[in-house]
Amino acid sequence: EPEVTQTPSHQVTQMGQEVILRCVPISNHLYFYWYRQILGQKVEFLVSFYNNEISEKSEIFDDQFSVERPDGSNFTLKIRSTKLEDSAMYFCASSADNGFYEQYFGPGTRLTVT
Amino acid sequence: DQQVKQNSPSLSVQEGRISILNCDYTNSMFDYFLWYKKYPAEGPTFLISISSIKDKNEDGRFTVFLNKSAKHLSLHIVPSQPGDSAVYFCAASDMTTDSWGKLQFGAGTQVVVTP
Repeated sequence: EPEVTQTPSHQVTQMGQEVILRCVPISNHLYFYWYRQILGQKVEFLVSFYNNEISEKSEIFDDQFSVERPDGSNFTLKIRSTKLEDSAMYFCASSADNGFYEQYFGPGTRLTVT
Repeated sequence: DQQVKQNSPSLSVQEGRISILNCDYTNSMFDYFLWYKKYPAEGPTFLISISSIKDKNEDGRFTVFLNKSAKHLSLHIVPSQPGDSAVYFCAASDMTTDSWGKLQFGAGTQVVVTP
């Protein structure tokens, strides 16, 4: 069964460093998303991406964040200068363009900022 | 932002019995609802969804009921199995706007199925 994959599973970085989280969405999906879950809190929407541009972003997704689809398979989230409060699980998701709108999530990347 | 609420943080149910999980929402513009299951150290797994034009959707052991007037939905799992022990999230979106892909999640309900 097709699935969303994410790498790395765990990333530790120092405050102020740049990180890139990588995702491979399900191959025939056209819509891509990033969510995050801070420990003990709800899953929060960050950004949606379609047709090589951002469709929607939350207030969390400020200038420190960017997304890119560098090729036909990868979808990345970059945090330019990490802060302690960026420590969270980051989930990538994708959905098809077939009248069904359920989003399929990857296993997540745990980002720890020290 | 409390647009989607799951007021029961936990639920314990015996194997073979029915699990009923509840979810309330405040945004009357929400018209598409989903349930996800999540095991520790994994991403949310899609279970079942329902559009606001329906009041019930069934898939195997899982049934979702939607009461639009009460802004309430529930997930029924019958019969409950040990593998159903997980955190269950309710999510909602407004499909009529450009924000249709933005899922709003509840806080989750931890389900424990006991032998």
